[in-house]
Amino acid sequence: AQKITQTQPGMFVQEKEAVTLDCTYDTSDQSYGLFWYKQPSSGEMIFLIYQGSYDEQNATEGRYSLNFQKARKSANLVISASQLGDSAMYFCAMREGYGGSQGNLIFGKGTKLSVKP
Amino acid sequence: DAGITQSPRHKVTETGTPVTLRCHQTENHRYMYWYRQDPGHGLRLIHYSYGVKDTDKGEVSDGYSVSRSKTEDFLLTLESATSSQTSVYFCAISESKGYTGTVSHTFGQGTRLTVV
Repeated sequence: AQKITQTQPGMFVQEKEAVTLDCTYDTSDQSYGLFWYKQPSSGEMIFLIYQGSYDEQNATEGRYSLNFQKARKSANLVISASQLGDSAMYFCAMREGYGGSQGNLIFGKGTKLSVKP
Repeated sequence: DAGITQSPRHKVTETGTPVTLRCHQTENHRYMYWYRQDPGHGLRLIHYSYGVKDTDKGEVSDGYSVSRSKTEDFLLTLESATSSQTSVYFCAISESKGYTGTVSHTFGQGTRLTVV
C-alpha cells in the first residue's frame, strides 16, 4: 500500500491565483514528519516546507503553507499568489518515527504544476 | 547548505558493465542516502549510510551495492548494469535547516544514467 498518495498527476493554475496540491499519508507511528519538495525542470530537489506530527499550527514559509489535517492524514501544500516560476514537479514526502538526523524519506509520485500567464 | 557533489552528472553505459556513482559532501554529515527517480514512482531509497562503513538497504536495493570508507564519500555501484537501472540517481544528506532546525534532506544535483 502506498504510504504517500498524491492524486493529482498534473494541475494548472492561473498566475497570481492560489493552488492546493493534495497529499495523503499512511502511517501507524505517532511521531512523523511531512515534507514538500519542488523539482523544477532543471532537475534539482528543493526543500519547501516541513510539518511535524506534533506541531499544532500549520507550517508556513513565505507563499507556501501546509494544510495539516491529522485526523484525515492529509498534508496539502497551498501556494498563494502563483508565479510562473512555480511551474515544477512537487513531491510530498514523509519520515516515520523520531527523525533527528536519521530517517529516510518516503516520497509520493509527484504533481506537475503548470502556471499559466 | 551542505556542499554535495555528485559525479558524473551524466553517463551512458552498456548492459553488463559495472558503474560507480560518487557522492561527495564537505560538511561531515553522518547520514547519507541514495535514491533513484523514475517517472510515475517519485523517489525511492536504494541504500543509506549512518556512518563510515555503516550502511543498510532501502526499498529498491537489488542490483546495487554501496560503500562508505570516508565520511565525505558515499559510493553507489551497479555491479552489472541493466536497462531497468536507467534512471536519475540522487544522493542526499540530512541537515538542519533554518532557525527552527528542521532536519531535512539536502539533495545533490542528480546523475542521469542510461544503460543501453
